[in-house]
Formats: sequence, C-alpha cells, structure tokens
Amino acid sequence: TQLLEQSPQFLSIQEGENLTVYCNSSSVFSSLQWYRQEPGEGPVLLVTVVTGGEVKKLKRLTFQFGDARKDSSLHITAAQPGDTGLYLCAGANDYKLSFGAGTTVTVRA
Amino acid sequence: DVKVTQSSRYLVKRTGEKVFLECVQDMDHENMFWYRQDPGLGLRLIYFSYDVKMKEKGDIPEGYSVSREKKERFSLILESASTNQTSMYLCASSLRTAENIQYFGAGTRLSVL
Repeated sequence: TQLLEQSPQFLSIQEGENLTVYCNSSSVFSSLQWYRQEPGEGPVLLVTVVTGGEVKKLKRLTFQFGDARKDSSLHITAAQPGDTGLYLCAGANDYKLSFGAGTTVTVRA
Repeated sequence: DVKVTQSSRYLVKRTGEKVFLECVQDMDHENMFWYRQDPGLGLRLIYFSYDVKMKEKGDIPEGYSVSREKKERFSLILESASTNQTSMYLCASSLRTAENIQYFGAGTRLSVL
C-alpha cells in the first residue's frame, strides 16, 4: 500500500497549457519534497516544503503544502517540452522518505 | 555538487547468482539508502544506513543485505538473485537533518534471467 497517493498517474498536454499534480496522504509529515526524474537518471530534488500552508514558486512551478501537512500539489504554468518527466512526491519523517508512485508528465511541442 | 556514483548502469545476472551493487558518495553524508523502482510502485526503500556499520531494514528487505564499512560506500547484496528482483536500483545519500534531502545516483538496471 502506497503511503502517498499521487494523481493523475499519467498526464499528456500541449505546450503552453497548465497542469496540476496532486499528492495525498493520511499521514502527517515533517516536510514534503518534490523530485523530477528523467529517463535513465535518478530523481533530482525540485523543492522542499516544511510549513503547513506554505507556497513556494520556482519559475513556472508552484508548490503548495496542505495546512495539515498531509498533502501537496505541484502546478506548472505554460508547460514546455523540457518539463517532461516523472514527478515524485516524498514525505519525510525521521531518516526516511516515503515516495508516491509518481506522475508521468508529457508535454507535446 | 553532490555526487552519488553507482558502479554499474546495467547488469544482467542469472538466477541464483550473488550480486553486488556498489554506491559511493563524495559529500561526507551520514545517511545512505537503497531503493528499488518499479513502474506504478514508485521508489520502495530496501535498506538504509545512518552511520558506518549501522543499518536498518526498509519496507522490502527480504532477499537483500547491505554493507557499510566506510562512510562513503554502501553496498547492496542479492545473496541469490531471483527473477522478481529484476528492477531499477537507486542509491541515495543525505545529511542527518530533519529535511532529509536525498541525492540520488543514476541507477542500476538489473535484469535477472
């Protein structure tokens, strides 16, 4: 059973469109991280959110941590083909991260 | 830049073979981790280590063991490889902080025939 549920599992959009990926859990985490993984590579950290209700912006990417620190969302504005990849959320407690199954995003030119 | 290096990108082994996957990090991180990644299942933690010679089981340790004799090196051992251990294996390291930001290697794709 996945501790973190990500939705949707797959997302295919046209360049210039917006998209949102959701990450939900019944558990509370001390922080939540978002990673992006490209084919043949390991995941790379995009952002860490720590405080309930926190919103972080990274250029066209906006990350939100839920007030109860159980869920998060990633919103991409005006997606570009370079945004294509597998997006993973991970909740942190103690030494460990619990990962969602990931959302595969494809942005068509 | 943090660098986590996995010794092999691709490995093909036969059922019953003993398999060693090696991981080295160059940032003096206390924590090191081994995950396997399978489609639709995300990353699942096999073992982790928070210090030299220390190890703890993750969520799916069965069929695996680990070794950490030096701080920078963490090895994953498949004592007798089976076909259901065909997977992508990812190593990661992190500092011992509450945020636990992990840095990953490029992965080893293991096929057991």
